[in-house]
Amino acid sequence: KAGVTQTPRYLIKTRGQQVTLSCSPISGHRSVSWYQQTPGQGLQFLFEYFSETQRNKGNFPGRFSGRQFSNSRSEMNVSTLELGDSALYLCASSLDGQGMETQYFGPGTRLLVL
Amino acid sequence: AQTVTQSQPEMSVQEAETVTLSCTYDTSENNYYLFWYKQPPSRQMILVIRQEAYKQQNATENRFSVNFQKAAKSFSLKISDSQLGDTAMYFCAFGGQGGSEKLVFGKGTKLTVNP
Repeated sequence: KAGVTQTPRYLIKTRGQQVTLSCSPISGHRSVSWYQQTPGQGLQFLFEYFSETQRNKGNFPGRFSGRQFSNSRSEMNVSTLELGDSALYLCASSLDGQGMETQYFGPGTRLLVL
Repeated sequence: AQTVTQSQPEMSVQEAETVTLSCTYDTSENNYYLFWYKQPPSRQMILVIRQEAYKQQNATENRFSVNFQKAAKSFSLKISDSQLGDTAMYFCAFGGQGGSEKLVFGKGTKLTVNP
């Protein structure tokens, strides 16, 4: 099976712009979670989607949003980009989303905001 | 809210030796899972080992084993016969129950295996 894929892998944006990142989970996986990784804050949970519904959300401003499609693919959007949004954004998928399953991570999208 | 603490920002070990990475966590839940993930330089995060809190037996995966002390809320990772390919960031993560896949991560330990 193919692993979790994320596109694009690298992205450069300027302050004030918006960006959309995409994540395709492992085939058959229905739960997708997003994390932001920065040197200062480490790995922080953004949100989790299961069956097209947001099931859990981290402590991030409303500029961060996401959605999940019927094929379990997920996108996250960041509007009005700030310099502090520069980070590695990781997507992870798990099978049934029943809690406590192993999550499989994608390679990440590295976002640089200038 | 759960917290995960990794007190060793960096560690190094000689090839073929054994190293132990520390992790402590705080939670009021009784049923949960703990994970160690590995993130090699510029490569993606992969699962090293997982432990269910209801299991008393410590998990092992080849050269990797954990020392899970539930009462002390401690979850250390032991790497035996260290190899150069073990060089990576290691993250300890907590997963609580409740139908959510949210993981709470520690800040990580950068492990360098020296030849």
